[in-house]
Amino acid sequence: GQQVMQIPQYQHVQEGEDFTTYCNSSTTLSNIQWYKQRPGGHPVFLIQLVKSGEVKKQKRLTFQFGEAKKNSSLHITATQTTDVGTYFCALSNTGNQFYFGTGTSLTVIP
Amino acid sequence: DAGITQSPRHKVTETGTPVTLRCHQTENHRYMYWYRQDPGHGLRLIHYSYGVKDTDKGEVSDGYSVSRSKTEDFLLTLESATSSQTSVYFCATNTPGHQETQYFGPGTRLLVL
Repeated sequence: GQQVMQIPQYQHVQEGEDFTTYCNSSTTLSNIQWYKQRPGGHPVFLIQLVKSGEVKKQKRLTFQFGEAKKNSSLHITATQTTDVGTYFCALSNTGNQFYFGTGTSLTVIP
Repeated sequence: DAGITQSPRHKVTETGTPVTLRCHQTENHRYMYWYRQDPGHGLRLIHYSYGVKDTDKGEVSDGYSVSRSKTEDFLLTLESATSSQTSVYFCATNTPGHQETQYFGPGTRLLVL
């Protein structure tokens, strides 16, 4: 099956610092989604990227899809304690199967 | 999200016993999925269904079976539970063409002793 590598696995930041997580694939992706999972909760969809070089913003979150459609990033500006959780990237194939990255666990220190 | 419920939410069982987890959705989504989540592995697909009585294996299907007799229900069965199946199990649904996203249930924590 398809694989997507996600780094870093863990990230601790002081509140107010920025945070970035990256997903990389060896193959060209048709799309990529990002999900957030709060501690003890379930994954919740954040956004989908489809176009090469696409950039989307949601308040302090910026999502990018690489020009070659092989990588993606999620950047959070000025983190807050409400940003705590694990962020996953995921891709879907033509058979509607989804493959998730291993996730980046974000801890925000007040 | 998308009216997805899972039951039970927590279960403790012994090695060798059969276990069935239930996922119920109210949104009439065509696709349903079962994942397991373990530290360091993210979410791994066990089985999925693309319609009533239509199912297929995911990347970690050994030791698991599924059934979907109605659009709204997707059952995951561990025929003979092992300690390696201790995990958090998530059900998810999806409708192709709807942003290609998945909606997740609240999860079931399973402990196999």
